[in-house]
Amino acid sequence: AQSVTQPDIHITVSEGASLELRCNYSYGATPYLFWYVQSPGQGLQLLLKYFSGDTLVQGIKGFEAEFKRSQSSFNLRKPSVHWSDAAEYFCAVGGYTDKLIFGTGTRLQVFP
Amino acid sequence: NAGVMQNPRHLVRRRGQEARLRCSPMKGHSHVYWYRQLPEEGLKFMVYLQKENIIDESGMPKERFSAEFPKEGPSILRIQQVVRGDSAAYFCASSPTSTGGRVTEAFFGQGTRLTVV
Repeated sequence: AQSVTQPDIHITVSEGASLELRCNYSYGATPYLFWYVQSPGQGLQLLLKYFSGDTLVQGIKGFEAEFKRSQSSFNLRKPSVHWSDAAEYFCAVGGYTDKLIFGTGTRLQVFP
Repeated sequence: NAGVMQNPRHLVRRRGQEARLRCSPMKGHSHVYWYRQLPEEGLKFMVYLQKENIIDESGMPKERFSAEFPKEGPSILRIQQVVRGDSAAYFCASSPTSTGGRVTEAFFGQGTRLTVV
């Protein structure tokens, strides 16, 4: 069965610092991978997705993610964090089951 | 093109009452998913529906919960005889017809926050 692990529950960074949020997945074939962001009291917004091809994927708001098959990872990165990036970030995997399975999320706090 | 619309945004019910949550998918989307989010937890899949069909309800509690997506109108998640443990945020997502049976993108609504008192 497919699953997603986000090992960091809470991350704090200073504004302007770089960011990497970790995501590991378990899936028997080539997964479809997603990163979503959720602001407090809001729904989820898609940041980026990976299906195939180039393993470095660019998304909205300056985010990127790299698919590493050998490590079963799909880590999210941003070179310089802005205060408005404070939110909860969810990694998800989609397979042949026609549904997305989500990790437990990483809450990002940004200090000025 | 309006996004996924959920209503109500907030719902308060007393223990034992019924809760009905509505979801209108994006125009042209025929797939609807319901997820539940508890505090400090991720999104837990509940059910996947297409028009007039339940495709996967493996995440639905066996009792008191039901879902439908009629030919006309929104998808409804119904919780009968609510208990305090049902308090959560319930999110609906929709996607276009899948390619080869896989979800290529899911668009989420703002959620309904259910509080059981």
